[in-house]
Amino acid sequence: GQQVMQIPQYQHVQEGEDFTTYCNSSTTLSNIQWYKQRPGGHPVFLIQLVKSGEVKKQKRLTFQFGEAKKNSSLHITATQTTDVGTYFCAGSGTYKYIFGTGTRLKVLA
Amino acid sequence: DGGITQSPKYLFRKEGQNVTLSCEQNLNHDAMYWYRQDPGQGLRLIYYSQIVNDFQKGDIAEGYSVSREKKESFPLTVTSAQKNPTAFYLCASSLVGAYSYNEQFFGPGTRLTVL
Repeated sequence: GQQVMQIPQYQHVQEGEDFTTYCNSSTTLSNIQWYKQRPGGHPVFLIQLVKSGEVKKQKRLTFQFGEAKKNSSLHITATQTTDVGTYFCAGSGTYKYIFGTGTRLKVLA
Repeated sequence: DGGITQSPKYLFRKEGQNVTLSCEQNLNHDAMYWYRQDPGQGLRLIYYSQIVNDFQKGDIAEGYSVSREKKESFPLTVTSAQKNPTAFYLCASSLVGAYSYNEQFFGPGTRLTVL
């Protein structure tokens, strides 16, 4: 069945360093979403990408959707302690979403 | 105050007992979802519903059951047939639009521990 993998599983960075997580699907996606889950919390929607090669920015966060619509990335510039949490991608299946395994980010002050 | 509510936040049950987790939304969303999250892992889809009185199995439906009698409510029953029910359960909802893909809004979750 359809699978969505994310790498790395964990990432520790010093505050101010950059961070990137990658999402890869075994099948072509109609769209992809990104969510952030703070420790002890629930996932919160960040953004949705629909078009091939699409790039969207939210302040220090940059999201990309691959040309083949099978991969995506989230890049955070100059991480802050508030960026701590687990970042999930979710690829669209038929009327449902397939969540990636998540990347847990720790930011060391 | 719109959103999704799940109750209770923490739930303890003895092995062999069925337990029902509540999920209510007042966002007027058609679609609702149940996910299971184990420590350090991603979200796995248990059941989803696109419309009242209809629901579909997700990837790990065995040992679970749901109902969708009202648009606002999508309760999940964890039955004694579920081999390893201790987990964090998340309910979500979304609009079903022309493209069928919209952001999901998650409830705060219920942490179930089976003793």
